[in-house]
Amino acid sequence: DGGITQSPKYLFRKEGQNVTLSCEQNLNHDAMYWYRQDPGQGLRLIYYSQIVNDFQKGDIAEGYSVSREKKESFPLTVTSAQKNPTAFYLCASSMVFDGRAGTGELFFGEGSRLTVL
Amino acid sequence: LAKTTQPISMDSYEGQEVNITCSHNNIATNDYITWYQQFPSQGPRFIIQGYKTKVTNEVASLFIPADRKSSTLSLPRVSLSDTAVYYCLVVPAPGSSNTGKLIFGQGTTLQVKP
Repeated sequence: DGGITQSPKYLFRKEGQNVTLSCEQNLNHDAMYWYRQDPGQGLRLIYYSQIVNDFQKGDIAEGYSVSREKKESFPLTVTSAQKNPTAFYLCASSMVFDGRAGTGELFFGEGSRLTVL
Repeated sequence: LAKTTQPISMDSYEGQEVNITCSHNNIATNDYITWYQQFPSQGPRFIIQGYKTKVTNEVASLFIPADRKSSTLSLPRVSLSDTAVYYCLVVPAPGSSNTGKLIFGQGTTLQVKP
């Protein structure tokens, strides 16, 4: 089955700890994204990548870091610099067609729920 | 980057047609418009995409006027299972400084009642 796998589904962190959320896709998509969603709110873009070894900051990149060493993987690290990391994190991927990422359809994973204790 | 504005919430009854409008006043010439549906604790799911005029698929229609400053998602004969949050999303044109930057707005919470 093709799709996006996020892990872990639930994660608890102590203040001051870095945590890494995994996102793997087997859809052969070039573009990948990380979003954060707080209760009752829309999705906010953290980082995005349109090609391997390249990524750009979204609207709320502070306190987060990513890497894109492989096409199928786009891990997100929530660092201790992120002051309020408790949230639902969603990873997505899409084709890049004719230079446009996201044309047609974004495919989302099931999400990772991070709670800071 | 085109900012989107939608009503925060809407109510409807089963069997009715629902129209949700999104404003995107500063949409660029070659930007696309897409709509997504999200259920609680799940990732959004693609519904439909369009550039101009009307697009229809098996679940919805998308109406885009000539000036493209707004778009309307039309859901025919909604059921209780259509209760969800609906987002419109402007997909930037290739070659722009915002290419690939996909920004979701706050979305519209649709509540379908029996």
